[in-house]
Amino acid sequence: DGGITQSPKYLFRKEGQNVTLSCEQNLNHDAMYWYRQDPGQGLRLIYYSQIVNDFQKGDIAEGYSVSREKKESFPLTVTSAQKNPTAFYLCASSIRANDSPLHFGNGTRLTVT
Amino acid sequence: DQQVKQNSPSLSVQEGRISILNCDYTNSMFDYFLWYKKYPAEGPTFLISISSIKDKNEDGRFTVFLNKSAKHLSLHIVPSQPGDSAVYFCAASGSPYGANSKLTFGKGITLSVRP
Repeated sequence: DGGITQSPKYLFRKEGQNVTLSCEQNLNHDAMYWYRQDPGQGLRLIYYSQIVNDFQKGDIAEGYSVSREKKESFPLTVTSAQKNPTAFYLCASSIRANDSPLHFGNGTRLTVT
Repeated sequence: DQQVKQNSPSLSVQEGRISILNCDYTNSMFDYFLWYKKYPAEGPTFLISISSIKDKNEDGRFTVFLNKSAKHLSLHIVPSQPGDSAVYFCAASGSPYGANSKLTFGKGITLSVRP
């Protein structure tokens, strides 16, 4: 069964700590994305990658970092520089970067106290 | 500045009736529109899309209508079923055509279909 796996489902961290969210896909999709959802808000793009070893900042990249060393994997690190890290994080992929629906994982809810 | 607006946060409909979910946008450069459906504790799933060269796209019980002059699109679900109860996100994309990196999402509408 092809899909996107995000782990863990819930994550708790102390303020000041970096934390890495995992995202793996076995859909053979070229493009991958990280979104953030806050209560009552639409999804906002953090980073995206159209191809292995390449990634671009989205609308709210500050305080985040990513890597794309393998086609299947696109981990997101939430650094201590992110001022409001508590949120629901969604990873997505698409066959190609344009004109291609997003396939989403089930998300990771990060709580930083 | 919200470029994609879903002004009604919720909608309740009787099973078997039509559900109409509305979405307005302000950016005239948007040329590709999508609807995503999201159940609690799951990621959104793609529902239906429409290009700006069309004014209607249909897929089974789901039809999306686009009125470019009014910068308005709507999702019609006929007949509505209890399993349709979910949050529905409208999304729009500009140049390059359909670029996922340029997608702007609305805040979502919670649809409840009463048995």
